[in-house]
Amino acid sequence: GDSVTQMEGPVTLSEEAFLTINCTYTATGYPSLFWYVQYPGEGLQLLLKATKADDKGSNKGFEATYRKETTSFHLEKGSVQVSDSAVYFCALRGQGGTASKLTFGTGTRLQVTL
Amino acid sequence: EAQVTQNPRYLITVTGKKLTVTCSQNMNHEYMSWYRQDPGLGLRQIYYSMNVEVTDKGDVPEGYKVSRKEKRNFPLILESPSPNQTSLYFCASSFGGGNNQPQHFGDGTRLSIL
Repeated sequence: GDSVTQMEGPVTLSEEAFLTINCTYTATGYPSLFWYVQYPGEGLQLLLKATKADDKGSNKGFEATYRKETTSFHLEKGSVQVSDSAVYFCALRGQGGTASKLTFGTGTRLQVTL
Repeated sequence: EAQVTQNPRYLITVTGKKLTVTCSQNMNHEYMSWYRQDPGLGLRQIYYSMNVEVTDKGDVPEGYKVSRKEKRNFPLILESPSPNQTSLYFCASSFGGGNNQPQHFGDGTRLSIL
């Protein structure tokens, strides 16, 4: 079945540091890929998405490129801020019957310090 | 404002006492779903609905029921709650069941079953 693997956290960075959170997936066909962010005490918010190979999703300075050859969708940001501290989830929505759900990774907690 | 609204946000109850968590969306979305979030496991799908009167099981449906009598509402019912259903629950909706449709999430309901 479909699965998503993301790097273990927590990730602790200083403000203005470069961020990478790795995400790889297993799925048949051509899934759509998403990054969601969960701030403390809140629900999940869509951060960005990519629906086909080589697409780059971007939002609020975050970027991720859909790489089918490496089955990856790594999240990057050039300069993080304290306000980016949150839990980040990589997810996929498969094709056919598996489009009925999002398959999530376990989440990566990011803590940004001054 | 487009949103998914869950109630209650927090609930502490006892084993065996039936409870219902409501979910309502104002975006005229066809697809709705329930997930539970547990530490180290990410989010897992409980049930989903592709449209009114159409529901199906997700990955962890045991101990839960749902109904979809109206397009906007998708309540989650725990007929006889048990401690292993203590979790953080999220309702989500999307425009359709296609894999390129991002799901929009509510703020979550934290259930504690004693």
